[in-house]
Amino acid sequence: QSVLTQPPSASGTPGQRVTISCSGSSSNIGNNYVNWYQQLPGTAPKLLIYRSDRRPSGVPDRFSGSKSGTSASLAISGPRSEDEADYYCAAWDDSLSGGVFGGGTKLTVL
Amino acid sequence: EVQLVDSGGGLVQPGGSLRLSCAASGFTFSDYAMSWVRQAPGKGLEWVSGISGSGGSAFYADSVKGRFTISRDNSKNMLNLQMSSLRAEDTAVYYCAKGMHSGGWLPFDYWGQGALVTVSS
Repeated sequence: QSVLTQPPSASGTPGQRVTISCSGSSSNIGNNYVNWYQQLPGTAPKLLIYRSDRRPSGVPDRFSGSKSGTSASLAISGPRSEDEADYYCAAWDDSLSGGVFGGGTKLTVL
Repeated sequence: EVQLVDSGGGLVQPGGSLRLSCAASGFTFSDYAMSWVRQAPGKGLEWVSGISGSGGSAFYADSVKGRFTISRDNSKNMLNLQMSSLRAEDTAVYYCAKGMHSGGWLPFDYWGQGALVTVSS
């Protein structure tokens, strides 16, 4: 059971906006930044969003992040076939004194 | 160019020990916290342990506390994870990961390629 809660799957067409939620508590998301990672099959994770809503250089602007209270969301506007991957949210947890991840969400582009 | 190269994975019997290493290059190693993150077969990511840039602070997940020890050698740009009393549930790909900001634990902006640890008799 992961500390952060994500839906196991999400799907959408290239013309849609897909959102993936991440729910936590006051000791993690409520008091710290949220980061999102993309993991393509057989590869190491890649940083997609940091400090809840910032994109590292090279990440397409169709990816965006937001945070409110103890929840966060990753949005993908007009997903492409190459975006089919597993997406993980993560944050520092002050009570555990460690990093925590969500269980991951598998994105399917229809 | 930042590079992290994980090594040391392999097959080990339950109760045994193994040492993972991560060779870092392309950045001032001592300025950044480093972590180990693992992924069991077909499962999600799990943060295992982190160590500050100086090596003076270290944290562990409850699942490995007392069994794993993280360390770093800043003179050799090496990160290590000594694993003992290994259990079947420790079977996973272990990734070393670099903290993005000097002094910060998260996020991880670079990852190693991963080292597979299999605990089985």
